Amino acid sequence: GEDVEQSLFLSVREGDSSVINCTYTDSSSTYLYWYKQEPGAGLQLLTYIFSNMDMKQDQRLTVLLNKKDKHLSLRIADTQTGDSAIYFCAENGENTGFQKLVFGTGTRLLVSP
Amino acid sequence: DTAVSQTPKYLVTQMGNDKSIKCEQNLGHDTMYWYKQDSKKFLKIMFSYNNKELIINETVPNRFSPKSPDKAHLNLHINSLELGDSAVYFCASSQDHRGSYEQYFGPGTRLTVT
Repeated sequence: GEDVEQSLFLSVREGDSSVINCTYTDSSSTYLYWYKQEPGAGLQLLTYIFSNMDMKQDQRLTVLLNKKDKHLSLRIADTQTGDSAIYFCAENGENTGFQKLVFGTGTRLLVSP
Repeated sequence: DTAVSQTPKYLVTQMGNDKSIKCEQNLGHDTMYWYKQDSKKFLKIMFSYNNKELIINETVPNRFSPKSPDKAHLNLHINSLELGDSAVYFCASSQDHRGSYEQYFGPGTRLTVT
């Protein structure tokens, strides 16, 4: 079955870079995603990467994918206090053709001034 | 204008009761989803509908019954509520069921069963 693991907490200072890591098990996943959840709110898609890519950059966000090790990371450059939230990685499990997201355990990012 | 809305936002009820949560999206999307997020923030898909047809049905107790009266609505009815049903339930929608389409999440319904 699918399993997606993340470290639970990350604490950084404003202006530093943050790197959130994720490991997944389903090698057939076509897409891998990063979602952000702010307190009391639903999830918001930050970015996603297609499985035949190694890297994707979108403004302050850089996603790295190592398919061999089934490792995904999200780097946030120049982290701001507004980036404090829970970050979930997700894989599109079971390759059914449907978007059946399997979410990681979530990483709580705390950015201090 | 809210893209994906859920009602109610909070629901407190006693064990054994039956309750419903409603979800509406005004994005013209074909696919809708229900997720459950437990107290440890673990998020798991429950159901997905595409054009009013059920396409994903995870191992959810049959006390949970989704209903999609039209493409814009996906409601969740829960019978005989149990303490373990306490969680935040999120509705989401996407343009269609393929992986390249973003899911838009509602604000969540916090269900507390006492």
